[in-house]
Amino acid sequence: GESVGLHLPTLSVQEGDNSIINCAYSNSASDYFIWYKQESGKGPQFIIDIRSNMDKRQGQRVTVLLNKTVKHLSLQIAATQPGDSAVYFCAENRGAGNMLTFGGGTRLMVKP
Amino acid sequence: DGGITQSPKYLFRKEGQNVTLSCEQNLNHDAMYWYRQDPGQGLRLIYYSQIVNDFQKGDIAEGYSVSREKKESFPLTVTSAQKNPTAFYLCASSAEYSRETQYFGPGTRLLVL
Repeated sequence: GESVGLHLPTLSVQEGDNSIINCAYSNSASDYFIWYKQESGKGPQFIIDIRSNMDKRQGQRVTVLLNKTVKHLSLQIAATQPGDSAVYFCAENRGAGNMLTFGGGTRLMVKP
Repeated sequence: DGGITQSPKYLFRKEGQNVTLSCEQNLNHDAMYWYRQDPGQGLRLIYYSQIVNDFQKGDIAEGYSVSREKKESFPLTVTSAQKNPTAFYLCASSAEYSRETQYFGPGTRLLVL
């Protein structure tokens, strides 16, 4: 989840396959996590969130897994479609209040 | 159509000029936020407001100023003191300043002439 500047990590998948995007977070006290999808030139779009009292949460075609032991978060997208092509960011709540720390993002490219 | 609007979509700034970016929400959210995004990077927090008439500095507040006179509006001014203002600016809001999802506007791209 660390920023790598202009060279975003890229995941390339075939249409119809499942995608797994990973994120490492830094603060063991973080108790709320969010995944966002950002298309080129647009604002981030909320996908799914999870609180630290859960280790799995499912939405429509998406699943978020949280492993607090190794401070790892993943987003699974089932049956990936061309419209899923975007940059995906994880964000962690830093503690008190609602300040978020964002990861550097992963670019998902879906091949038809 | 409820949501967060930002204007303008593109903004050009001359050297030494202050410019103001608009952010409006009709979600009745208490908390609002401003982020900066540089190419290929994540978002960094500039300022946030927990409630009307209140705001706090984020991680990169130098060269920026904000106001929160109305619940629905949280304008950001990029001052001449901000030496590297070229970036994509994103406004967000959440129902409360607690463990609530932040929803984002479409962004304003600021370019320096």
